[in-house]
Amino acid sequence: GAVVSQHPSWVICKSGTSVKIECRSLDFQATTMFWYRQFPKQSLMLMATSNEGSKATYEQGVEKDKFLINHASLTLSTLTVTSAHPEDSSFYICSAPLGGTTRTDTQYFGPGTRLTVL
Amino acid sequence: DAKTTQPPSMDCAEGRAANLPCNHSTISGNEYVYWYRQIHSQGPQYIIHGLKNNETNEMASLIITEDRKSSTLILPHATLRDTAVYYCIVRATGRRALTFGSGTRLQVQP
Repeated sequence: GAVVSQHPSWVICKSGTSVKIECRSLDFQATTMFWYRQFPKQSLMLMATSNEGSKATYEQGVEKDKFLINHASLTLSTLTVTSAHPEDSSFYICSAPLGGTTRTDTQYFGPGTRLTVL
Repeated sequence: DAKTTQPPSMDCAEGRAANLPCNHSTISGNEYVYWYRQIHSQGPQYIIHGLKNNETNEMASLIITEDRKSSTLILPHATLRDTAVYYCIVRATGRRALTFGSGTRLQVQP
């Protein structure tokens, strides 16, 4: 099956610093990738859609200047949490679609990145 | 997105079939039903999807009722490694991202 990786798998940072999370599709290309966030005991919430060659689109309520997304190539999307604060502590997960059509493709998810802001 | 309703939790004995129900009474005719599962502290894993016919793969079977208002995911021989939160998702037409509900927490008991 398709493999999506994330790096790092966990990160601890101080309040006010920036953290970059990478999402890679290892054996397929993805012009679109998705970033989700999951707080403890909650479900996944879509944050933004990463588009290769164009700007990301953000869900309502997600600050685009705080969560910078760059789709650098057909296999790499990065999420940078700028000026992180403790309330940004969460589990960040990316996904990339493969196969079928845009109606029937399958989303493959990365293993997630756990961010803790002190 | 069409709303889905799943029981919050279920138990299943190891080696027995696990049948996870999902209601999606507002589903539209061209919307697909997807099932994913999330093992603790990992990313979701794709299981299966279907439109109106029953589907089977190496992981599970998906049974969709004729009126498409509900479906059942069947894990034929549950193992302890199947303990996870299972999400039933109706994928909205024209939308590639997935909207996750609260899912069903399946606990497989030894």
